[in-house]
Amino acid sequence: DIVMTQSPDSLAVSLGERATINCKSSQSVLYSPNNKNYLAWYQQKPGQPPKLLLYWASTRESGVPDRFSCSGSGTDFTLTISSLQAEDVAVYYCQQYYTTPFTFGPGTKVDIK
Amino acid sequence: QVQLQESGPGLVKPSETLSLTCTVSGGSISDYYWSWIRQPPGKGLEWIAYVHYSGSTNYNPSLRSRVTVSVDTSKNQFSLNLISVTAADTAVYYCARDKQQLARQAFDIWGQGTMVTVSS
Repeated sequence: DIVMTQSPDSLAVSLGERATINCKSSQSVLYSPNNKNYLAWYQQKPGQPPKLLLYWASTRESGVPDRFSCSGSGTDFTLTISSLQAEDVAVYYCQQYYTTPFTFGPGTKVDIK
Repeated sequence: QVQLQESGPGLVKPSETLSLTCTVSGGSISDYYWSWIRQPPGKGLEWIAYVHYSGSTNYNPSLRSRVTVSVDTSKNQFSLNLISVTAADTAVYYCARDKQQLARQAFDIWGQGTMVTVSS
């Protein structure tokens, strides 16, 4: 299985400041024939299902604000919330869909400082 | 727009079978891959299996011996059966759709989830 790790476990950021979450996979999720990273990011608020934010590592899902972005390739990725808003308080998960079993990171909780 | 709704018992006894159904509304179940994902209380997400509308399946090896997923295109539904459950199977169970009509995609549509507790 591809093991996904995230850091930090949690972070608190002031409103309007930048939040950064790291995601690392135990093996590359970059598929060379199409040069795509099979990595997604989800946001989950309490009592709600996860919401897809980004896929192919850096493609924003429709309706997702452009303050959410992802950089990285292969095994190391970074989700950045450029200017944290109150509605961004949530747990964020990365997920690889390069191969089954699809696996998720353990999650990073983002709060307001 | 496409919506997913899980249904099934909220309480299952140990050693019995957990059975859930996901109903797809607002669109056809055809042409997509459909997954089951679970989340124990306060914990992370675990992918269980997917089923294609054609009936092809893929299972998480950690659960393969106990899980069966199937699709009923006439009802626009797909289902999960998990046998010999224990307390460790207590979780919110989600159904989800692959974003595109190909294998290996992110999950763009999720059901609201249904809490299943395993307890006598």
